[in-house]
Amino acid sequence: GAGVSQSPRYKVAKRGQDVALRCDPISGHVSLFWYQQALGQGPEFLTYFQNEAQLDKSGLPSDRFFAERPEGSVSTLKIQRTQQEDSAVYLCASSLNGPLRVEQYFGPGTRLTVT
Amino acid sequence: GESVGLHLPTLSVQEGDNSIINCAYSNSASDYFIWYKQESGKGPQFIIDIRSNMDKRQGQRVTVLLNKTVKHLSLQIAATQPGDSAVYFCAENSLTGNQFYFGTGTSLTVIP
Repeated sequence: GAGVSQSPRYKVAKRGQDVALRCDPISGHVSLFWYQQALGQGPEFLTYFQNEAQLDKSGLPSDRFFAERPEGSVSTLKIQRTQQEDSAVYLCASSLNGPLRVEQYFGPGTRLTVT
Repeated sequence: GESVGLHLPTLSVQEGDNSIINCAYSNSASDYFIWYKQESGKGPQFIIDIRSNMDKRQGQRVTVLLNKTVKHLSLQIAATQPGDSAVYFCAENSLTGNQFYFGTGTSLTVIP
């Protein structure tokens, strides 16, 4: 498809497990973003890549969160030793150029539930 | 901004009426704004954007108004349709920032 895709769409993890969430951006999009969206709230920024370079990770809530984009296309958000407060929808977005003043295209999200 | 948690601001309108959704932002350095629509189980979808050198921009059935003096943004939807039912977010970005800051969102319900 032409849009941003994410997998899995739903993930249930037991507390303490590690999870990996995948994002396939729109082909040719330079910038990629990860957001965390808690129930009933707006998305909150986690991290930003320009090609393979992670230019901003100021939103990552702890060192248990790690993101990579090794070849400048697909990205993976990894959460180690998941906690209940990590339960949220994780959204990926991509944009053609930089983050400034351009539209970001969002994927459908991965709903993570930590039990 | 203040977190509303599970209690999203809500707006109910009759089909065919006009809707106005409001958003206040806090960063006076923000100079680019986007309205997103998010349906249940989907990611946010771009509706319309506006830059700070404008105070009004129109799209198809939608108009965004920007009042920089009071740091207020509104989205007007004309002739609201059932398919417009969703949560609407405003997002702001500044020239020096890498990220968009999203508001809490407003849940719009269109009554047929």
